[in-house]
Amino acid sequence: AQSVTQPDIHITVSEGASLELRCNYSYGATPYLFWYVQSPGQGLQLLLKYFSGDTLVQGIKGFEAEFKRSQSSFNLRKPSVHWSDAAEYFCAVGATGGGNKLTFGTGTQLKVEL
Amino acid sequence: NAGVTQTPKFRVLKTGQSMTLLCAQDMNHEYMYWYRQDPGMGLRLIHYSVGEGTTAKGEVPDGYNVSRLKKQNFLLGLESAAPSQTSVYFCASSYDLASAGTQHFGDGTRLSIL
Repeated sequence: AQSVTQPDIHITVSEGASLELRCNYSYGATPYLFWYVQSPGQGLQLLLKYFSGDTLVQGIKGFEAEFKRSQSSFNLRKPSVHWSDAAEYFCAVGATGGGNKLTFGTGTQLKVEL
Repeated sequence: NAGVTQTPKFRVLKTGQSMTLLCAQDMNHEYMYWYRQDPGMGLRLIHYSVGEGTTAKGEVPDGYNVSRLKKQNFLLGLESAAPSQTSVYFCASSYDLASAGTQHFGDGTRLSIL
């Protein structure tokens, strides 16, 4: 069965600093990987996804993520964080077939200090 | 450009009452999903559907039923609500992952069971 681990429950960074959110997955084949962001009281918005090809994926709002098969990781990065990036971030792994279900990590809450 | 619409947005129930949550999507997606989100647990899949007239159990199906009579609608029912079902419920829809489909989420239904 697939699983996702986000080891950091809370992260605090200063505005303008760089950010890296960690995600490790477990899946037997080539995974489909996603990062979603959730602002308070809102649904989940897709930041970026990896399906195949280039292992460095660009997303919206200046985010990027790198798929590293050898480390089973898909970490999210941003060079310079803005106060509006404060939100909860979820990593997810998906599998084709059987309903294309996603398995989500438990999330990382990002706080941005001004 | 509605996307995924969930009704209602908020609801308070007494233990033992029943209710139905409605999810509607206008993107002609084959797949639809119901999740619940609880603090520190990420999103957990309750039930899903791979097409009109089909439903299947997810990770936490007990106490819930679903129906997909029309392609655009996916209903989640609680026959006898329990306090443990207090949660935020999210609906999502997608195309097939193999066709690069990603899940699109509604804004959620906040449900409290007293």
